[in-house]
Amino acid sequence: QVQLVQSGAEVKKPGASVKVSCKASGYTFTVYYMHWVRQAPGQGLEWMGMVNPTDGNTNYAQKFQGRVTMTRDTSTSTVYIELSILRSEDTAVYYCARELPGQTYFDYWGQGILVTVSS
Amino acid sequence: EIVLTQSPGTLSLSPGERATLSCRASQSVSSKSLVWYQQKPGQAPRLLIFGASSRATGVPDRFSGSGSGTDFTLTISRLEPEDFAVYYCQQYGSSGYTFGQGTKLEI
Repeated sequence: QVQLVQSGAEVKKPGASVKVSCKASGYTFTVYYMHWVRQAPGQGLEWMGMVNPTDGNTNYAQKFQGRVTMTRDTSTSTVYIELSILRSEDTAVYYCARELPGQTYFDYWGQGILVTVSS
Repeated sequence: EIVLTQSPGTLSLSPGERATLSCRASQSVSSKSLVWYQQKPGQAPRLLIFGASSRATGVPDRFSGSGSGTDFTLTISRLEPEDFAVYYCQQYGSSGYTFGQGTKLEI
């Protein structure tokens, strides 16, 4: 069965960086794009960007350009998101979610990772 | 960027009743790219409806989606206790993916 398993919670100080992972299983890793969506406490969903596991190409939301990096490791079917220059407003649950190219929806989601930014 | 506005913010109903949730776009959206998700506390979103009106695998037929252009609707014909959750619409456009702010469906 399809599973997206994300790494554990993180606590970071303002100005630091965080890198979290999402390991895919149960399907051919390179067939689906992987997206990252975050949700601040009590708030709605915010799309951050995507990575194409086939070639590593990325597309970031304008809001995060220059501060976010999404990568993949095809040998372990894992995608990563690194967010730098963290601020308190980055405190959120970060989800990975897959998309079949061209479908424009996310059919499977990871369980989410809470990243807390606090001094 | 296309802004999605969902209404109402909170909808209070009882099991067995009909729920109608609205998603209005700031400009015309391709029906192909209009999606609905359900999210329960502490859980990831779950895909319900894609292409404005197609139910995802395993979604009960009491859930239906409709609409076109700038106005889209999610209807739950007869509420079950497990349907009380937050519902989000989402679209894909030239600026990427955007979500509505959500409608909380409560008892």
